[in-house]
Amino acid sequence: QVQLVESGGGVVQPGRSLRLSCAASGFTLSNHGMNWVRQAPGKGLEWVAIIWDDGSHKYYGDSVKGRFTISRDSSKNTLYLQMNSLRAEDTAMYYCARHRGSATSGWADFWGQGTLVTVSS
Amino acid sequence: QSVLTQPPSVSGAPGQRVTISCTGSSSNIGASYDVNWYQHLPGTAPKLLIFGNNNRPSGVPDRFSGSKSGTSASLAISGLQAEDEADYYCQSYDSSLSGWVFGAGTKLTVL
Repeated sequence: QVQLVESGGGVVQPGRSLRLSCAASGFTLSNHGMNWVRQAPGKGLEWVAIIWDDGSHKYYGDSVKGRFTISRDSSKNTLYLQMNSLRAEDTAMYYCARHRGSATSGWADFWGQGTLVTVSS
Repeated sequence: QSVLTQPPSVSGAPGQRVTISCTGSSSNIGASYDVNWYQHLPGTAPKLLIFGNNNRPSGVPDRFSGSKSGTSASLAISGLQAEDEADYYCQSYDSSLSGWVFGAGTKLTVL
């Protein structure tokens, strides 16, 4: 069955970096687009980034553009989110989610349980 | 604030029907991009409820239904059950942002 397991979260100081991982099982990661979505404490869901199934395109939310990078390792069937220049407002639960449908009218059919990132001095 | 507007909360008694609205604009829902709905319980993975405006994934009860018209969409839940108590989010694509947008979420309370 499809499973997504995030890891790599923790407490980090402002300005530092962190890399999140999302290990996929039950399907081949490179056959699907993949997203990162986050939820800050007491807030709603916020889309962070997408990588297309063929890896040809990557897009980012305005709040993380230029600081975060989405990537994947097909040999490990794992998705990554490299987060640089972290800010307090990046504190959130980070979810990876499998993309279905077109690039523009897509949806997330499976989500991981999330990994918590806390940015604090 | 969120690009898509949802009511902060709705409530209903067991067995009743409730609807949750999701209002967008000409760069997302009004541009004919599909609307999708998710159910989220704190501490758990969000769950897909409706995709492509009105389609249910396998395993989602037919008590859940979606619709879309113009720049708005709605999620209807009939025959309310205690287990339906959760947060509900709408999601679409926004051409001006080149990415997904979510509503702020609606907390459903089953009285």
